[in-house]
Amino acid sequence: DAGVIQSPRHEVTEMGQEVTLRCKPISGHNSLFWYRQTMMRGLELLIYFNNNVPIDDSGMPEDRFSAKMPNASFSTLKIQPSEPRDSAVYFCASTRTGAAETQYFGPGTRLLVL
Amino acid sequence: EDQVTQSPEALRLQEGESSSLNCSYTVSGLRGLFWYRQDPGKGPEFLFTLYSAGEEKEKERLKATLTKKESFLHITAPKPEDSATYLCAVRYHTGNQFYFGTGTSLTVIP
Repeated sequence: DAGVIQSPRHEVTEMGQEVTLRCKPISGHNSLFWYRQTMMRGLELLIYFNNNVPIDDSGMPEDRFSAKMPNASFSTLKIQPSEPRDSAVYFCASTRTGAAETQYFGPGTRLLVL
Repeated sequence: EDQVTQSPEALRLQEGESSSLNCSYTVSGLRGLFWYRQDPGKGPEFLFTLYSAGEEKEKERLKATLTKKESFLHITAPKPEDSATYLCAVRYHTGNQFYFGTGTSLTVIP
């Protein structure tokens, strides 16, 4: 299995620009999570989906952030407009609801907003 | 209130010097406790899942144990390649969220 795939791996953009991060979960997994990791705050859950439906988006910082999951194999996290404080590593993770429920992470997207 | 607390924040060990990392959680109704290893520039890598008090899991030099309120990750005779940040996460029967601790940064000196 290819594991969780994220793109791009690195993104450098200027303040005010739109940023779109992409994630392909592991085939057969029905829950998908978006996290943000910074030195100051560690790993923070932004939003998670179950069977393509957003279940809890209470971690989304503000309206500038939005996430979609149009099908079981693809999700996006969009920031519009981006700000320097959004600079962080964004991880996508997936799991299959069931006995094991182990969460598997992608390699992350390192975002720098200038 | 933090759901998961890890200690120490950082740990430096000589190669071969065994030690333990701690993960404590504050809410009852545990569905599972997870240990991850994270190397710089990479995503967290799954190590263990523990479900009930008294359970133990082992992998090479690592052994994870679970009590009713905390988990320990024991590292026996560590090597420099064990240097990484170790993250703990918990999941409860209510809800689907994973709550992560802030991690323990382990450095093993040759």
